[in-house]
This record gives sequence, structure tokens and C-alpha cells, in this order.
Amino acid sequence: DAGVTQSPTHLIKTRGQQVTLRCSPKSGHDTVSWYQQALGQGPQFIFQYYEEEERQRGNFPDRFSGHQFPNYSSELNVNALLLGDSALYLCASSLGWSVRYGYTFGSGTRLTVV
Amino acid sequence: KQEVTQIPAALSVPEGENLVLNCSFTDSAIYNLQWFRQDPGKGLTSLLLIQSSQREQTSGRLNASLDKSSGRSTLYIAASQPGDSATYLCAVEANNNNDMRFGAGTRLTVKP
Repeated sequence: DAGVTQSPTHLIKTRGQQVTLRCSPKSGHDTVSWYQQALGQGPQFIFQYYEEEERQRGNFPDRFSGHQFPNYSSELNVNALLLGDSALYLCASSLGWSVRYGYTFGSGTRLTVV
Repeated sequence: KQEVTQIPAALSVPEGENLVLNCSFTDSAIYNLQWFRQDPGKGLTSLLLIQSSQREQTSGRLNASLDKSSGRSTLYIAASQPGDSATYLCAVEANNNNDMRFGAGTRLTVKP
């Protein structure tokens, strides 16, 4: 039973470029949430997708957008990259909106913007 | 705005010691609180989930307590082992909507 799978594991981009990160949820989960974790900090909530729609959003600019596909997998897109976007991007999946039914994190994508 | 603080930021103990990690939050109207473990460069592993109506949860050598009225939670680790070395994060969920607010974590080192 595969857990949450994220790709790629590492990525280096130049300032101003665009990036797409991918996440496959744990089998049986239908909700995907994305978090940004800067070095030495706790994760910050970006947004959550359920039934192919963005349901909740944290305090992130519109440069951050996402998508959820019919198979529940998800993409995180970041446009016009800034140096400050360098972070570990974590995807978490769950069954429904509440974490009490199980909340599983992937290993993350390490994004470096130079 | 909910703010989560974890003290201490780092902790180093010899193997075998019992230890306590602290988490405080500013808004007591939480839905649940969760403790996670994170190994360097890795994702988060859920350790214990405490619903707002509960006072504590136990799993093996781990025990987490929750005092909503004072905005505090503690994670107790008994008989620490070198394999417990990691960063421990607490997170609170406000409205059953998966928008969890995390503390910055406590980096634990257990020396053999």
C-alpha cells in the first residue's frame, strides 16, 4: 500500500521561472493539502484540494496555484519564482476534510531558487 | 490569528532519559492537536492525534497531553533512545478543515 508520493525529490530553478510539483495521494485518500516548509520552520498551509476544487487556502499569493485530477493526484504550480520560494514543499493526503481520519505526508520536494 | 510555539527549540539528552517537549497555542478554540516527527530532509510522520474533547493519548513510549484552557500540550518520551533523534512538531487544527498551524519544532538529539 503506497503512501504519498511526490515528484521530483529535488529541483533547482532560476528566479522568474515557473515550476510544477506533483503529488499522488495514499491509496483510499481523496483530499490533498500542500504545505511549504522553510528551513528551520514549521510547515505553512498553502491550499487544499477536494473533489477537484480548491477548498481552503492559506496566506499565499496567486503565484501559487494548483490542480487536482479525477484520480485524486494533484499538482502545485508556482509562477515567477522568487528566492524566498526556496523551501521543502510537502503534500499530505487524507480521507475527506478532517485529519482525524488519517493524514499522511509525503517526503517532499526540495525546491531551490537561484 | 493562531500562533503555535514550541519550547525548547533544541534539546540534547543522554540515552535513557525521560523528557518533555512543550507546545503552546494562542487560541484555545481548536478542533484537534497533533504531534509529528520529522527526520532531516524528510516528510512528517504522525505520532499522536488528540481530539479537542480528549486530555491525552498514548502510543508506546510516547504520551501526549492537551490542556485547551491553558493553550498547552506536552509530549512525554520515556526512556529515550538514539533512534528518537529527530525534530518534533506540534500542529493545531482550528475548524476541522485540514488547515493545520505548526510550531517551528523542537530538534531532539539523544546521545548514546
